[in-house]
Amino acid sequence: QSVLTQPPSASATPGQRVTISCSGSRSNIGTNTANWYQQLPGSAPKLLIYNFNQRPSGVPDRFSGSKSGTSASLAISGLQSEDEAEYYCAAWDDSLNGPVFGGGTKLTVL
Amino acid sequence: QVQLQQWGAGLLKPSETLSLTCAVYGGSFSGFYWSWIRQPPGKGLEWIGEVTHSGSTRYNPSLRSRVIMSVDTSTNQFSLKLTSVTAADTAVYYCARRRGSDVIVAVRFLGYDYWGQGNLVTVSS
Repeated sequence: QSVLTQPPSASATPGQRVTISCSGSRSNIGTNTANWYQQLPGSAPKLLIYNFNQRPSGVPDRFSGSKSGTSASLAISGLQSEDEAEYYCAAWDDSLNGPVFGGGTKLTVL
Repeated sequence: QVQLQQWGAGLLKPSETLSLTCAVYGGSFSGFYWSWIRQPPGKGLEWIGEVTHSGSTRYNPSLRSRVIMSVDTSTNQFSLKLTSVTAADTAVYYCARRRGSDVIVAVRFLGYDYWGQGNLVTVSS
């Protein structure tokens, strides 16, 4: 059971916009920063979003993040077939004194 | 360009010690938190712990009694040892670089921006 809660799956057609949620608590997302990762099969995760809405260099602006209370969200606009992957959220947790992850959301591009 | 390259034994028997090393190429070795994260087959990510260039460590409480992390600044390498492994420790193990500052809480966790390629470690009798 992951500390951060994500929907197990999401799907959309090419060109559409999809949003993935990540629900936490006051000890993690409510107080600290969160980030998002994309993991393609057989590969290490890749940092997509940090500090809720910042993109590392090289990440397309189709990817955006936001926070509301104790939840974070990842939005992908102009969906492309190569966006089909597993997406994970993560946040620092004051109770653990370390980072916690969501269980992952498998995004299917129909 | 920063690269993390990791290696270690891939097949262990129960009760043995898992040992992995990660070498950092490019960039600074100080100012970051060098981390280990694992992913059981078909499951999500779990933080194991981290070590700084000065040797300060922070471990996941669920693994603390079995984990030892160390750093070698002469070779820009850091290592993980996990003792008394069981089948539940079977996973892909990743090393990664955490950006952030423990001094400034607002920017404590700016993400894992570089990752190693991962090592599948299987524990089986």
